Amino acid sequence: DADVTQTPRNRITKTGKRIMLECSQTKGHDRMYWYRQDPGLGLRLIYYSFDVKDINKGEISDGYSVSRQAQAKFSLSLESAIPNQTALYFCATSDLANPNTGELFFGEGSRLTVL
Amino acid sequence: QKEVEQDPGPLSVPEGAIVSLNCTYSNSAFQYFMWYRQYSRKGPELLMYTYSSGNKEDGRFTAQVDKSSKYISLFIRDSQPSDSATYLCAMSRGITGNQFYFGTGTSLTVIP
Repeated sequence: DADVTQTPRNRITKTGKRIMLECSQTKGHDRMYWYRQDPGLGLRLIYYSFDVKDINKGEISDGYSVSRQAQAKFSLSLESAIPNQTALYFCATSDLANPNTGELFFGEGSRLTVL
Repeated sequence: QKEVEQDPGPLSVPEGAIVSLNCTYSNSAFQYFMWYRQYSRKGPELLMYTYSSGNKEDGRFTAQVDKSSKYISLFIRDSQPSDSATYLCAMSRGITGNQFYFGTGTSLTVIP
């Protein structure tokens, strides 16, 4: 089983719908992140959390919200989806104690299409 | 101007070729430099990590950092079809994931 699991892997929805993407991890890392990946724009940080009580906005947080339900779970919500939120979304974790200094461990991605 | 620039390719080479992938950056405060490999329909995974300037070698892979030119490179020797993937450079000032700046990725295909 994957260390970082994202659900759903694929989702097609309509404009205005509420969408939740879920992430769970078995790596025991405190730090969790949500990124979106778009062709020509690369990976951009949406939100990050360094522990259960810590939530921080990233570069492109507008239109998104998150919830850190437990150390192992971090969900991303789109309250009212719009077409330009069509993208590939990645959850990632990191452990500051990692000798590779901040290495990110990514899930396999959730492809979201907003019609 | 983007913090990190990376040629998207695509790059296609025959098996056994030497591959050179490059990124340039604008922020002289970057200290940590990474290369991630992303296979189709998968998440990125760390391939190489370098702190500050210099070279680092790991098997067929060599990462180079030239801070004076704000230029980093990844060399792949004796390229294999299994190296076919998208390669993302990433860099940061600090060591936490919220400070990473990613390139857009270079798509590489190694033809048997």
